[in-house]
Amino acid sequence: DIQMTQSPSSLSASVGDRVTITCRASQSISSYLHWYQQKPGKAPKLLIYAASSLQSGVPSRFSGSGSGTDFTLTISGLQPEDFATYSCQQSYSLPYTFGQGTKLEIK
Amino acid sequence: EVQLVQSGAEVKKPGESLKISCKGSGYSFTSYWIGWVRQMPGKGLEWMGIIYPGDSDTRYSPSFQGQVTISADKSISTAYLQWSSLEASDTAMYYCARQSATTSWFDPWGQGTLVTVSS
Repeated sequence: DIQMTQSPSSLSASVGDRVTITCRASQSISSYLHWYQQKPGKAPKLLIYAASSLQSGVPSRFSGSGSGTDFTLTISGLQPEDFATYSCQQSYSLPYTFGQGTKLEIK
Repeated sequence: EVQLVQSGAEVKKPGESLKISCKGSGYSFTSYWIGWVRQMPGKGLEWMGIIYPGDSDTRYSPSFQGQVTISADKSISTAYLQWSSLEASDTAMYYCARQSATTSWFDPWGQGTLVTVSS
Protein backbone atom coordinates (compact mmCIF):
# COMPACT_ATOMS: atom_id res chain seq x y z
CA ASP A 1 0.00 0.00 0.00
CA ILE A 2 1.09 3.58 -0.61
CA GLN A 3 1.57 5.41 2.68
CA MET A 4 0.40 9.02 2.89
CA THR A 5 1.94 11.20 5.60
CA GLN A 6 0.58 14.63 6.45
CA SER A 7 2.33 17.35 8.37
CA PRO A 8 1.70 18.85 10.71
CA SER A 9 -0.86 16.66 12.50
CA SER A 10 -2.34 19.78 14.00
CA LEU A 11 -1.79 23.51 13.84
CA SER A 12 -3.18 26.65 15.35
CA ALA A 13 -3.79 29.73 13.27
CA SER A 14 -5.73 32.99 13.35
CA VAL A 15 -8.42 34.33 11.08
CA GLY A 16 -6.74 35.96 8.12
CA ASP A 17 -3.60 33.82 8.28
CA ARG A 18 -2.14 31.88 5.37
CA VAL A 19 -1.57 28.22 6.20
CA THR A 20 0.04 25.35 4.36
CA ILE A 21 -0.51 21.64 4.96
CA THR A 22 1.83 19.09 3.44
CA CYS A 23 1.10 15.56 2.23
CA ARG A 24 3.90 13.18 1.27
CA ALA A 25 3.46 9.87 -0.54
CA SER A 26 5.71 6.86 0.03
CA GLN A 27 6.18 6.57 -3.75
CA SER A 28 5.42 8.71 -6.76
CA ILE A 29 1.70 9.15 -7.37
CA SER A 30 1.90 11.65 -10.25
CA SER A 31 -0.99 14.06 -9.63
CA TYR A 32 -3.43 11.49 -8.24
CA LEU A 33 -3.87 13.41 -5.01
CA HIS A 34 -7.07 14.85 -3.55
CA TRP A 35 -7.87 16.96 -0.50
CA TYR A 36 -10.93 16.78 1.74
CA GLN A 37 -12.25 18.98 4.52
CA GLN A 38 -14.13 17.49 7.45
CA LYS A 39 -15.93 19.44 10.15
CA PRO A 40 -16.87 17.85 13.47
CA GLY A 41 -19.83 15.51 13.16
CA LYS A 42 -19.97 15.92 9.38
CA ALA A 43 -18.95 13.87 6.37
CA PRO A 44 -15.79 14.81 4.47
CA LYS A 45 -16.15 17.23 1.57
CA LEU A 46 -13.99 17.31 -1.56
CA LEU A 47 -11.94 20.51 -1.85
CA ILE A 48 -9.20 19.85 -4.40
CA TYR A 49 -8.85 17.02 -6.91
CA ALA A 50 -5.95 15.96 -9.10
CA ALA A 51 -3.54 17.91 -6.88
CA SER A 52 -4.52 21.39 -7.99
CA SER A 53 -8.06 21.53 -9.40
CA LEU A 54 -10.58 23.37 -7.25
CA GLN A 55 -13.88 21.55 -6.78
CA SER A 56 -16.91 23.54 -7.89
CA GLY A 57 -18.25 25.77 -5.14
CA VAL A 58 -15.05 25.75 -3.08
CA PRO A 59 -13.73 29.25 -2.30
CA SER A 60 -10.69 30.38 -4.25
CA ARG A 61 -8.69 30.92 -1.05
CA PHE A 62 -8.07 27.16 -1.18
CA SER A 63 -5.34 25.97 -3.51
CA GLY A 64 -3.33 22.82 -4.06
CA SER A 65 -0.01 22.09 -5.66
CA GLY A 66 2.56 19.36 -6.14
CA SER A 67 3.23 16.21 -8.07
CA GLY A 68 5.21 13.05 -7.59
CA THR A 69 5.55 12.56 -3.85
CA ASP A 70 5.12 16.02 -2.32
CA PHE A 71 1.91 18.02 -2.21
CA THR A 72 0.58 21.06 -0.42
CA LEU A 73 -2.80 22.50 0.45
CA THR A 74 -2.75 26.24 1.05
CA ILE A 75 -5.49 28.37 2.56
CA SER A 76 -4.95 32.07 1.97
CA GLY A 77 -6.84 34.30 4.37
CA LEU A 78 -8.34 31.87 6.87
CA GLN A 79 -12.01 32.29 7.59
CA PRO A 80 -13.80 31.09 10.73
CA GLU A 81 -15.53 28.33 8.75
CA ASP A 82 -12.16 26.90 7.63
CA PHE A 83 -11.28 25.49 11.03
CA ALA A 84 -11.64 21.79 10.40
CA THR A 85 -9.64 18.65 9.69
CA TYR A 86 -8.02 18.25 6.28
CA SER A 87 -7.10 14.90 4.74
CA CYS A 88 -5.26 13.95 1.58
CA GLN A 89 -5.96 10.83 -0.47
CA GLN A 90 -4.02 9.14 -3.25
CA SER A 91 -5.75 7.38 -6.11
CA TYR A 92 -2.66 6.23 -8.02
CA SER A 93 -3.03 2.62 -6.94
CA LEU A 94 -5.42 0.52 -4.91
CA PRO A 95 -6.10 0.75 -2.04
CA TYR A 96 -6.66 4.49 -2.34
CA THR A 97 -5.15 5.43 1.00
CA PHE A 98 -5.69 8.58 3.05
CA GLY A 99 -3.30 10.63 5.12
CA GLN A 100 -3.87 10.70 8.87
CA GLY A 101 -5.41 14.16 8.77
CA THR A 102 -4.39 17.65 9.88
CA LYS A 103 -6.53 19.41 12.46
CA LEU A 104 -6.63 23.17 11.97
CA GLU A 105 -7.59 24.98 15.16
CA ILE A 106 -8.21 28.57 16.08
CA LYS A 107 -5.34 30.30 17.88
CA GLU B 1 -29.12 16.79 -6.89
CA VAL B 2 -26.73 13.89 -6.43
CA GLN B 3 -27.26 12.36 -3.00
CA LEU B 4 -26.13 9.37 -1.02
CA VAL B 5 -28.33 8.57 1.96
CA GLN B 6 -27.11 6.04 4.48
CA SER B 7 -29.05 3.90 6.92
CA GLY B 8 -29.30 4.86 10.56
CA ALA B 9 -27.06 4.25 13.54
CA GLU B 10 -26.72 0.71 14.83
CA VAL B 11 -25.92 -0.74 18.25
CA LYS B 12 -24.88 -4.38 18.16
CA LYS B 13 -23.27 -7.01 20.36
CA PRO B 14 -20.02 -8.78 19.53
CA GLY B 15 -20.62 -11.76 17.28
CA GLU B 16 -23.77 -10.32 15.69
CA SER B 17 -24.12 -9.69 11.98
CA LEU B 18 -24.93 -6.36 10.37
CA LYS B 19 -25.65 -4.88 6.96
CA ILE B 20 -25.70 -1.11 6.45
CA SER B 21 -26.87 0.62 3.31
CA CYS B 22 -26.19 3.58 1.07
CA LYS B 23 -28.87 4.70 -1.40
CA GLY B 24 -27.91 6.82 -4.37
CA SER B 25 -30.18 9.26 -6.16
CA GLY B 26 -29.96 12.00 -8.75
CA TYR B 27 -27.56 10.14 -11.06
CA SER B 28 -27.09 6.89 -12.94
CA PHE B 29 -26.26 4.51 -10.08
CA THR B 30 -24.77 1.87 -12.38
CA SER B 31 -22.25 4.29 -13.94
CA TYR B 32 -20.26 5.23 -10.84
CA TRP B 33 -18.30 3.36 -8.21
CA ILE B 34 -19.45 3.48 -4.59
CA GLY B 35 -16.75 3.35 -1.94
CA TRP B 36 -16.78 2.72 1.80
CA VAL B 37 -14.58 4.56 4.30
CA ARG B 38 -14.12 3.83 8.00
CA GLN B 39 -13.42 6.46 10.64
CA MET B 40 -12.75 5.10 14.10
CA PRO B 41 -13.43 7.44 17.03
CA GLY B 42 -11.02 10.36 16.95
CA LYS B 43 -9.05 8.86 14.07
CA GLY B 44 -8.46 9.44 10.36
CA LEU B 45 -10.16 8.10 7.27
CA GLU B 46 -9.50 4.53 6.10
CA TRP B 47 -10.32 3.35 2.57
CA MET B 48 -12.13 0.00 2.80
CA GLY B 49 -13.17 -0.83 -0.73
CA ILE B 50 -15.27 0.07 -3.74
CA ILE B 51 -17.95 -1.53 -5.89
CA TYR B 52 -19.14 -0.79 -9.42
CA PRO B 53 -22.88 -1.51 -9.31
CA GLY B 54 -23.05 -1.85 -13.09
CA ASP B 55 -21.27 -5.21 -12.99
CA SER B 56 -20.61 -5.72 -9.24
CA ASP B 57 -16.85 -5.46 -9.75
CA THR B 58 -15.52 -5.08 -6.18
CA ARG B 59 -12.08 -4.14 -4.87
CA TYR B 60 -11.04 -4.38 -1.23
CA SER B 61 -8.22 -2.94 0.79
CA PRO B 62 -6.06 -5.82 2.06
CA SER B 63 -6.76 -4.49 5.55
CA PHE B 64 -10.47 -5.19 5.14
CA GLN B 65 -10.49 -8.15 2.75
CA GLY B 66 -12.28 -11.03 4.45
CA GLN B 67 -13.48 -8.81 7.28
CA VAL B 68 -16.41 -7.18 5.46
CA THR B 69 -18.47 -7.73 2.33
CA ILE B 70 -19.40 -4.97 -0.08
CA SER B 71 -22.38 -5.52 -2.37
CA ALA B 72 -24.95 -3.58 -4.36
CA ASP B 73 -28.50 -3.96 -5.63
CA LYS B 74 -28.73 -1.85 -8.76
CA SER B 75 -32.49 -2.35 -8.99
CA ILE B 76 -32.91 -0.13 -5.94
CA SER B 77 -29.73 1.97 -6.35
CA THR B 78 -28.34 0.80 -3.05
CA ALA B 79 -24.91 -0.33 -1.94
CA TYR B 80 -24.22 -2.32 1.20
CA LEU B 81 -21.48 -2.99 3.71
CA GLN B 82 -21.88 -6.06 5.86
CA TRP B 83 -20.26 -7.99 8.66
CA SER B 84 -20.93 -11.62 9.56
CA SER B 85 -19.52 -11.38 13.07
CA LEU B 86 -18.91 -7.98 14.61
CA GLU B 87 -16.13 -7.17 17.02
CA ALA B 88 -15.77 -4.26 19.42
CA SER B 89 -13.02 -2.92 17.16
CA ASP B 90 -15.61 -2.42 14.38
CA THR B 91 -17.06 0.48 16.37
CA ALA B 92 -16.71 3.43 14.02
CA MET B 93 -18.43 5.82 11.65
CA TYR B 94 -18.79 4.38 8.18
CA TYR B 95 -19.18 6.60 5.14
CA CYS B 96 -20.12 5.75 1.60
CA ALA B 97 -19.04 7.99 -1.26
CA ARG B 98 -19.35 8.13 -5.03
CA GLN B 99 -16.40 7.79 -7.35
CA SER B 100 -16.55 8.39 -11.08
CA ALA B 101 -15.66 5.54 -13.42
CA THR B 102 -13.06 7.79 -15.07
CA THR B 103 -11.84 9.86 -12.15
CA SER B 104 -10.83 8.61 -8.75
CA TRP B 105 -11.88 11.02 -6.04
CA PHE B 106 -14.87 10.69 -3.74
CA ASP B 107 -17.70 13.14 -4.27
CA PRO B 108 -20.26 13.39 -2.79
CA TRP B 109 -20.27 11.50 0.49
CA GLY B 110 -23.12 10.01 2.45
CA GLN B 111 -23.91 11.41 5.89
CA GLY B 112 -22.32 8.43 7.66
CA THR B 113 -23.60 5.48 9.69
CA LEU B 114 -22.38 5.08 13.26
CA VAL B 115 -21.87 1.47 14.24
CA THR B 116 -21.38 0.73 17.94
CA VAL B 117 -20.41 -2.77 19.02
CA SER B 118 -20.60 -3.36 22.74
CA SER B 119 -21.53 -6.17 25.05
